[in-house]
Amino acid sequence: GAVVSQHPSWVICKSGTSVKIECRSLDFQATTMFWYRQFPKQSLMLMATSNEGSKATYEQGVEKDKFLINHASLTLSTLTVTSAHPEDSSFYICSARNTGNSPLHFGNGTRLTVT
Amino acid sequence: ELKVEQNPLFLSMQEGKNYTIYCNYSTTSDRLYWYRQDPGKSLESLFVLLSNGAVKQEGRLMASLDTKARLSTLHITAAVHDLSATYFCAVVSRPRYNQGGKLIFGQGTELSVKP
Repeated sequence: GAVVSQHPSWVICKSGTSVKIECRSLDFQATTMFWYRQFPKQSLMLMATSNEGSKATYEQGVEKDKFLINHASLTLSTLTVTSAHPEDSSFYICSARNTGNSPLHFGNGTRLTVT
Repeated sequence: ELKVEQNPLFLSMQEGKNYTIYCNYSTTSDRLYWYRQDPGKSLESLFVLLSNGAVKQEGRLMASLDTKARLSTLHITAAVHDLSATYFCAVVSRPRYNQGGKLIFGQGTELSVKP
């Protein structure tokens, strides 16, 4: 079945540094990718939608200059958390699909801890 | 704006008992998903429901959809400890899924099955 690989699985960084999270579709072309954030004991909140070759569309309240999303190829999207702060500590999950009615596949998530 | 509400948010069950989780959503949609999430893990897809009256079953779990009432249910039959997890419903926002609709998640139901 279709696989979405997310890397790294966990990362610890110091406050003020930037962290990049990768989301790869391994056996299909991901026309659209979605990035979610999940705080402990809470639901998944959609951060942004990215289509290959286009600028990402951010949800209301999500700072586009802080959470940089790049979807430069049909198999790779990256989320960069710039100038990370402890409040950015969260579980980040990407999902990807091809086109039309193709199913949506989720990555395994990245646990970010900012100290 | 699409809102998705689940209840209950917490559910403590005894093994062998039956129970139902409810998912209400505020605007029409062309599909609804149920996911399972274990602690520290990403999402596992359980069901996708596409039409009014759709019913799907897998093991002790059965999901149904009433698009007129904008309600989906996840019924658990004769619960076992292995079903302990958090269950999310997610609804596709407008536009339709195959036109770029996004998944909006409910708050999640934390299920604990005790012997």
